[in-house]
This record gives sequence, structure tokens and C-alpha cells, in this order.
Amino acid sequence: SQKIEQNSEALNIQEGKTATLTCNYTNYSPAYLQWYRQDPGRGPVFLLLIRENEKEKRKERLKVTFDTTLKQSLFHITASQPADSATYLCALYSSASKIIFGSGTRLSIRP
Amino acid sequence: NAGVMQNPRHLVRRRGQEARLRCSPMKGHSHVYWYRQLPEEGLKFMVYLQKENIIDESGMPKERFSAEFPKEGPSILRIQQVVRGDSAAYFCASSQPGPSTDTQYFGPGTRLTVL
Repeated sequence: SQKIEQNSEALNIQEGKTATLTCNYTNYSPAYLQWYRQDPGRGPVFLLLIRENEKEKRKERLKVTFDTTLKQSLFHITASQPADSATYLCALYSSASKIIFGSGTRLSIRP
Repeated sequence: NAGVMQNPRHLVRRRGQEARLRCSPMKGHSHVYWYRQLPEEGLKFMVYLQKENIIDESGMPKERFSAEFPKEGPSILRIQQVVRGDSAAYFCASSQPGPSTDTQYFGPGTRLTVL
């Protein structure tokens, strides 16, 4: 069956370091992959999209990689700040515009 | 330029009552999606609608749940005869028509509590 896995354990990072979050998937051949940020009590906010023919995408301090051979995406936040603390969701385009979300990784940046 | 609006933000119902959740998409968006999120879990796709059409309802329970997106007015997610297990946050998202349907914009959610 189709599956998306994100690190279920919370990630605690010292401010200023690079945070790296992992998204693995099985039984998918997604055309693209997205990352969202979700704060407590709020809806997800779109951050980045990367297509299957792209290896890497950047936006300010964010970087996403997409390895279709490994079936994995990595999400990096460089020079992390306490304001980056949130849950980050990986999402795959499945079919007919249906997006399947992972369960998310909670990131905490300590000052 | 308002974003996706959902109301109510919080809804409390007793078992057996009906819950109606409303979603107004962003201006210019004609695609609406509904998701359910349980505490500490990811978003679960429920249904994808375009104006007056249900495109994909594969994630929606066959009984008690229904959704609509009329030509005029908001999209409605309706849950009949609610049970405790329906307690969750329900998020609506919208996207533009055409090739750029990649990005979904989410509303703040409706938190349903069934007593």
C-alpha cells in the first residue's frame, strides 16, 4: 500500500544550526512533492514544491531535495531560529489533484 | 485579499446531532478540498470538489458524511448523527483552476468536539 513516513519523533535543534527533516515514501511515483508548515491550532502553510525532474529547490533559508531513486525528500532549514519551531508536513501529489500528507515532524529550535 | 475562511472555528455537538462546517475558498479559486486531522496525526484527505461537482470522495466515510460546493455560496461538509470518533480538526483548502493546481491554501480549521 502507499505510504509516506516522516520522523515521528520531535527534532530538537540548537539555534543557528541546520535542521534536516526526512520524508520517505513507498509505492508512489509522485509527479511532485510539497512541504508545509503547521503551527498549533492553525492550518498548514505551503512552503516549497519540488518536481520529480528537480534535484533541489531553495527558498531563502529553506532547501528541499528530492531523490526519486531513494524515494526520499530532505527538508533543510539553515541558520535555524526559535521562530522556525513548528510541525513540518511532507505531501505527495497522488492523483486527480489529491494530495497525501505525512504525519509531520515537530521541530523545536532552542535559543 | 482574504484567505480561505472557515466557520465556525469551534463547534460542539452532542452525540446524534448534525454538524455543518463551512468553507469559503480564496477569491478566484474553484477547487475545494476537505481534510480531517486527529491530534498528533497528519491530515487525512476526505473529499475534493469543484463547483457543483464532487471529483474525488474516496477519503470520506460512506455513511453520515456528505459534502457539497454549490454554484453560489460556501462549500459545506455535513456530518449527520455525530459520534465521539468524529471529534477532530477539519481543514478546508482551496486551489486555482488550470495547470497551477499544485498549491493548496488552507483555512484555519474547524475544531469539532462531540460530547
